[in-house]
Amino acid sequence: DAGVIQSPRHEVTEMGQEVTLRCKPISGHNSLFWYRQTMMRGLELLIYFNNNVPIDDSGMPEDRFSAKMPNASFSTLKIQPSEPRDSAVYFCASSLYEINEQFFGPGTRLTVL
Amino acid sequence: AQSVTQLDSQVPVFEEAPVELRCNYSSSVSVYLFWYVQYPNQGLQLLLKYLSGSTLVKGINGFEAEFNKSQTSFHLRKPSVHISDTAEYFCAVLNTGFQKLVFGTGTRLLVSP
Repeated sequence: DAGVIQSPRHEVTEMGQEVTLRCKPISGHNSLFWYRQTMMRGLELLIYFNNNVPIDDSGMPEDRFSAKMPNASFSTLKIQPSEPRDSAVYFCASSLYEINEQFFGPGTRLTVL
Repeated sequence: AQSVTQLDSQVPVFEEAPVELRCNYSSSVSVYLFWYVQYPNQGLQLLLKYLSGSTLVKGINGFEAEFNKSQTSFHLRKPSVHISDTAEYFCAVLNTGFQKLVFGTGTRLLVSP
C-alpha cells in the first residue's frame, strides 16, 4: 500500500488567497483525520470523519477553514481566505475504526506570506 | 477530558547509551496509549501501542514502554540508542470508545557520537 498521500507537499501563497490541501487515505480505512502542527501549539486535531461523515470539527479554528470528504478515497481541507497565522504543517491520517492506530501522511507545509 | 504531559522537551544522549522518555497522562476513564516518532520533514510513525494485556509493550526499532496505571505513566525506553534515533517523539492517549487522539508536546531526542 502507498500509505496516506497528501498534496501538495509544500504550498506558498499570499495572504487572502484560497488554499486547498488534499488527502487520499489508505484504501479500506473508514476514518480520516486532519491535524495541524506548529511550534507554538504542537499537534492539534482539526476535524475527523467516519465513513465520510464529519464527526467532530470542534478543532477547526474558525469559519475560514472547511473540510470535505466526498468519498472514501479523498478529502480536502480548504482555507479561505488564508492568513499568515495559518502557516503550519498540515497532516492527514487514516485508520480503521476498530483498530485505533492512525497512519499519518507526510504532511503539507503551508506558508502564507 | 484527557491530557498528556511530556516534561522533557529535549533529551541529549550519547550513542549506545540507554534512554528513557517520560510520559504521564490524566484521564477519568480507561485509555489506550501510543508512542509516535517523527523524523525531520516526515509524518508521524507509530512506535508502539498499549491497548490491553501485558503492561510491557515492545515496539519497532528496539523501543519498549511500560504502562503503569497507578502512576498514570507510559515511559518509553531503549537500552542502546543509535544516531538514527534522533527524532521527535510524541506520546498520545485515546479514551476507549472514542477516536480523538490527544498528543503530548513532544520530546526531541538528540543522539550524538
